Amino acid sequence: NAGVMQNPRHLVRRRGQEARLRCSPMKGHSHVYWYRQLPEEGLKFMVYLQKENIIDESGMPKERFSAEFPKEGPSILRIQQVVRGDSAAYFCASSPPTGTRSPLHFGNGTRLTVT
Amino acid sequence: SQQGEEDPQALSIQEGENATMNCSYKTSINNLQWYRQNSGRGLVHLILIRSNEREKHSGRLRVTLDTSKKSSSLLITASRAADTASYFCATDTGAAGNKLTFGGGTRVLVKP
Repeated sequence: NAGVMQNPRHLVRRRGQEARLRCSPMKGHSHVYWYRQLPEEGLKFMVYLQKENIIDESGMPKERFSAEFPKEGPSILRIQQVVRGDSAAYFCASSPPTGTRSPLHFGNGTRLTVT
Repeated sequence: SQQGEEDPQALSIQEGENATMNCSYKTSINNLQWYRQNSGRGLVHLILIRSNEREKHSGRLRVTLDTSKKSSSLLITASRAADTASYFCATDTGAAGNKLTFGGGTRVLVKP
């Protein structure tokens, strides 16, 4: 039973390029969350999605960042025209579609470096 | 404002000693969770304590919750070198889904 899969593990982009980060949730999970972590800091919430719907994007910068979770395929976090300040580890987590509050299951992250 | 602040930021102990870290938060919560992160890896869930619970145990872990003080503590007993990691508290305020707000973490080094 595979856990949350994120790829790539490491991504290097030059300023102005686009970064695409992919996340496949655990089997049976239909809720996906994206978090960003700067070195030596905690995780900052970015966006929460269900299949084909963005539920909460209150932590997502208004410009250059977008996220989707299509009916088929992984969730994608897209950063356009990257800048050095976008360098961070981006973590995806998933949870099941139950009514009870449950822990999140995290992937191992994508480390984005903008040169 | 930051929801979930851990104290201390860093902790260095000898193997076999106990490690205690604290977490304070600002708003009402549905539950509070503790996660561990090994270097270069994702977070792993350790324990969840609901707002109507005061103490919870899981193996060598003991978590307390004081909602009147808006604080929680995580105790790791008889620590091992493998416990070396960063530990984060996270609050669930009951918002849509299982959205969590994380603190800045406590970096624990257990020396063999």
